[in-house]
Amino acid sequence: AQSVAQPEDQVNVAEGNPLTVKCTYSVSGNPYLFWYVQYPNRGLQFLLKYITGDNLVKGSYGFEAEFNKSQTSFHLKKPSALVSDSALYFCAVRAPGANAGKSTFGDGTTLTVKP
Amino acid sequence: EAQVTQNPRYLITVTGKKLTVTCSQNMNHEYMSWYRQDPGLGLRQIYYSMNVEVTDKGDVPEGYKVSRKEKRNFPLILESPSPNQTSLYFCASSPGAGPATNEKLFFGSGTQLSVL
Repeated sequence: AQSVAQPEDQVNVAEGNPLTVKCTYSVSGNPYLFWYVQYPNRGLQFLLKYITGDNLVKGSYGFEAEFNKSQTSFHLKKPSALVSDSALYFCAVRAPGANAGKSTFGDGTTLTVKP
Repeated sequence: EAQVTQNPRYLITVTGKKLTVTCSQNMNHEYMSWYRQDPGLGLRQIYYSMNVEVTDKGDVPEGYKVSRKEKRNFPLILESPSPNQTSLYFCASSPGAGPATNEKLFFGSGTQLSVL
């Protein structure tokens, strides 16, 4: 069975500082990894994905994520946080094959950026 | 505008009274899926559909039914709702299924369900 872990319920950073939101995964075969963001009272919005190729992927709003196969991690990063980045962030995994329809999400990490 | 539309946005009901939450997408997507979001538990997949007339269980299917009679619609049915089904529900779709599972999900705005 596939799984996703987001070890931090909450991440607090000061505006202008770099931020990291952690994610580790477990899946059979090659993973497809995603980050989504949820603003208050809104649905989830896609940020970025890793399919294959370059381990560093760039996405919306200046976010990027680094895929590390040996550590089975896909941490979300941003060089300089904004107050408007405050939201709930979800990491998700899908995989081709027999369980192609399964989408597994982490429990979410609340990011708070303080001015 | 490309979108996934869920209705209703809010629903309060009583135990045992059958209800349906509708989901429709206008992007001709093959794949559709339902999730529930509970505090501290993230999003958990209820059911998914790889294409018309093809549905399968996710991680938490008990107490729910779905159907996919046409490509654009994927209703979620609670035959006999119970208080433990009080949750925030999201419908999502993506272009591909099978080998194209690397496509991102497009989410609806959510349905907040309260079962008394």
